[in-house]
Amino acid sequence: TQLLEQSPQFLSIQEGENLTVYCNSSSVFSSLQWYRQEPGEGPVLLVTVVTGGEVKKLKRLTFQFGDARKDSSLHITAAQPGDTGLYLCAGVKGNTPLVFGKGTRLSVIA
Amino acid sequence: DTAVSQTPKYLVTQMGNDKSIKCEQNLGHDTMYWYKQDSKKFLKIMFSYNNKELIINETVPNRFSPKSPDKAHLNLHINSLELGDSAVYFCASSQGGVNQPQHFGDGTRLSIL
Repeated sequence: TQLLEQSPQFLSIQEGENLTVYCNSSSVFSSLQWYRQEPGEGPVLLVTVVTGGEVKKLKRLTFQFGDARKDSSLHITAAQPGDTGLYLCAGVKGNTPLVFGKGTRLSVIA
Repeated sequence: DTAVSQTPKYLVTQMGNDKSIKCEQNLGHDTMYWYKQDSKKFLKIMFSYNNKELIINETVPNRFSPKSPDKAHLNLHINSLELGDSAVYFCASSQGGVNQPQHFGDGTRLSIL
């Protein structure tokens, strides 16, 4: 059973476009982490969201945690080729290991 | 000054061989992990050590044996390699618990011929 569903699986857009990717679950998480993984490298933490309804911004990236702490979204404004990568969300439940989603593979074309 | 470094980056070997992957972290973290990422990019935890003690052992075949000589190092030895072991193996570390943000190495791409 996949606890965290990410959508879309693949996304290919032109430079300058906006996009949103989603991370959904039927389970409640105490917090959620977002990572970006570039080809040939390991995932790198972007942000952790903790409070239901929380919104965090990282330059052109906006992360939101759902009110019920079951889902999260990542919105990118004016995407650039450097945003290309695999975006992974990971849910935290108590003191158990992170549960990763399968990721959204984003390709931004110049 | 790489934070989490693992070697080798690529490993190509025949079925049935035994191989090892090494990992070192210089972040002073107390917890280290091995993850497996399959061809569909699904990242799954295999093992976790906290201060050299095994704390997580997910349903991994016993052909896989982790070893942590000290809290900065976590190695992975794999016996009798099988085709299904082909994947990218990531070492990671964190501080303060298995639910804390992970710092990943760049991965070891294992290909079984």
